[in-house]
Amino acid sequence: DTGVSQNPRHKITKRGQNVTFRCDPISEHNRLYWYRQTLGQGPEFLTYFQNEAQLEKSRLLSDRFSAERPKGSFSTLEIQRTEQGDSAMYLCASSFTGVLYEQYFGPGTRLTVT
Amino acid sequence: AQSVTQLGSHVSVSEGALVLLRCNYSSSVPPYLFWYVQYPNQGLQLLLKYTSAATLVKGINGFEAEFKKSETSFHLTKPSAHMSDAAEYFCAVSDRGNQGGKLIFGQGTELSVKP
Repeated sequence: DTGVSQNPRHKITKRGQNVTFRCDPISEHNRLYWYRQTLGQGPEFLTYFQNEAQLEKSRLLSDRFSAERPKGSFSTLEIQRTEQGDSAMYLCASSFTGVLYEQYFGPGTRLTVT
Repeated sequence: AQSVTQLGSHVSVSEGALVLLRCNYSSSVPPYLFWYVQYPNQGLQLLLKYTSAATLVKGINGFEAEFKKSETSFHLTKPSAHMSDAAEYFCAVSDRGNQGGKLIFGQGTELSVKP
């Protein structure tokens, strides 16, 4: 068990650019979650997948955000036309439906939009 | 809608003193409740969870929490603080009717431990 990994750990981009983050969940976990955490706040739910199906999206997830989990393993989160308000820590978590609601978090990707 | 309120954005205790971090929740149905800890530049680590078994839940690193339905509370305690307990602590709730299990977090409490 190597845990949940996220890449890159840090990303600095200019406003208007597109960015993509990757999350590799714990291998046997079939659920994968994305959260966003701004400074001084708790994480906010963005979206989640069960296997390759995206089953829920938060209203926080604007049209500029898209997430995929094409083969039910790793996931990507893309932000198009980044804005300064997108600066945050993006956290990925995974879980297995057999272990009730216990989510394991990755270290996060910190995005800074200049 | 579910929500979580953590009373006190910052708590400071002396090493060896009691740690008490407060969490109140709002939910129309009995929820599942969690405490997570976050060290600087790291992800969140689960400390403990309440899923309707015993109301007093013991977790890692000597922490425990008690679910009190009448007070809608799930406060986190530790009898004796260690310097290594300094971190950000988050209380979270999940609707047991929500099969997806998404977590709703409080704003967090930063714990400082003085020598």
